Amino acid sequence: NAGVTQTPKFRILKIGQSMTLQCAQDMNHNYMYWYRQDPGMGLKLIYYSVGAGITDKGEVPNGYNVSRSTTEDFPLRLELAAPSQTSVYFCASSYPTRGRGQETQYFGPGTRLLVL
Amino acid sequence: GDSVTQMEGPVTLSEEAFLTINCTYTATGYPSLFWYVQYPGEGLQLLLKATKADDKGSNKGFEATYRKETTSFHLEKGSVQVSDSAVYFCALSLRATNKLIFGTGTLLAVQP
Repeated sequence: NAGVTQTPKFRILKIGQSMTLQCAQDMNHNYMYWYRQDPGMGLKLIYYSVGAGITDKGEVPNGYNVSRSTTEDFPLRLELAAPSQTSVYFCASSYPTRGRGQETQYFGPGTRLLVL
Repeated sequence: GDSVTQMEGPVTLSEEAFLTINCTYTATGYPSLFWYVQYPGEGLQLLLKATKADDKGSNKGFEATYRKETTSFHLEKGSVQVSDSAVYFCALSLRATNKLIFGTGTLLAVQP
């Protein structure tokens, strides 16, 4: 299993450009998540999905969009990139267990985004 | 609101020293507690977890005990190695949701 994969690893964007961060998992996990990690801060949840066709906002969704057309893929779309979106983005996935809230999340290696 | 507070780093130790990284939480419900570790250039990976009061999570020589009375989940290791150098994140997840709430992370640097 490749686990959770993310592309690209690094990208520089100009202000106002758009891009899609790709995330895929091959573990047949229902739940998927997007986080951003800013220096000296913990991870903040951007969006999450509990299954194909179902997405919901996290703590910091403004400026982002997501879709979940398949179980495997969960792309994150940035429209009109802004310097405040400079960050490291992590995708994660998990499988629901009987003990709600106890699931282990599996993280991808991250995408480093610089908006200039 | 629900939150996690962990000690600020960086924490610099010599090899074989004892490690403690403090973590306390505030939660409206009855959370599960986690420690995730991030090695340089990598994503986060689960180090250990505990799902109820007095549970002890352990892995790779690291331990943490879920203390409901002090709302704490401190990470300990008796003898650190250079390979333990990483950022450690404390996190909680509530039963009503499967979303993680992270602390700000603590950088551990172990010197030979």
